[in-house]
Amino acid sequence: SQKIEQNSEALNIQEGKTATLTCNYTNYSPAYLQWYRQDPGRGPVFLLLIRENEKEKRKERLKVTFDTTLKQSLFHITASQPADSATYLCAPSDNYGQNFVFGPGTRLSVLP
Amino acid sequence: GAVVSQHPSWVICKSGTSVKIECRSLDFQATTMFWYRQFPKQSLMLMATSNEGSKATYEQGVEKDKFLINHASLTLSTLTVTSAHPEDSSFYICSAPPRQGRETQYFGPGTRLLVL
Repeated sequence: SQKIEQNSEALNIQEGKTATLTCNYTNYSPAYLQWYRQDPGRGPVFLLLIRENEKEKRKERLKVTFDTTLKQSLFHITASQPADSATYLCAPSDNYGQNFVFGPGTRLSVLP
Repeated sequence: GAVVSQHPSWVICKSGTSVKIECRSLDFQATTMFWYRQFPKQSLMLMATSNEGSKATYEQGVEKDKFLINHASLTLSTLTVTSAHPEDSSFYICSAPPRQGRETQYFGPGTRLLVL
């Protein structure tokens, strides 16, 4: 069965550093992979989508990579700020959003 | 961007009662909506896919007679938790893709249900 793992349940980093979150998947060949941010008591908010034929995607301080050989996606937040503290979820999917599954999430805390 | 709303944002009910949660797409039409459940410190688990004008598709292990889904219009899907019990207490979130073929989903703010 499909399995999605995110590197750690919680990650603490110092403000200004780069946060790197990992998403690994097995028994799955997603057409694309998305990253979402979820704050406590709120619904997830879409951040970035990367397709299987793309190596890297950037948006402001965010960068996502997708390695289909390693079956892994890395999510980077550069120049992290306390406001970046949240839970980040990866979600691989096949075409057209079918078989959309969330990873367990990584709770990021950026310390001032 | 596309906006999805949920009502109520939180509800407390007695065991054995039924609770209805509404999910609305405010500025787009959604032929499909998804319902998720999230327990504390866990990820979202897909419960069912709601299809406008047809029966919902439930994930394995989700009781369709307990979690009734109705998608009567292109902007509204409802989830009714029938005969709720304390173990049904959770955070329920709906989502919808803005248009057919669009991969990204837009999520509602969630509904916190507490069954006493």
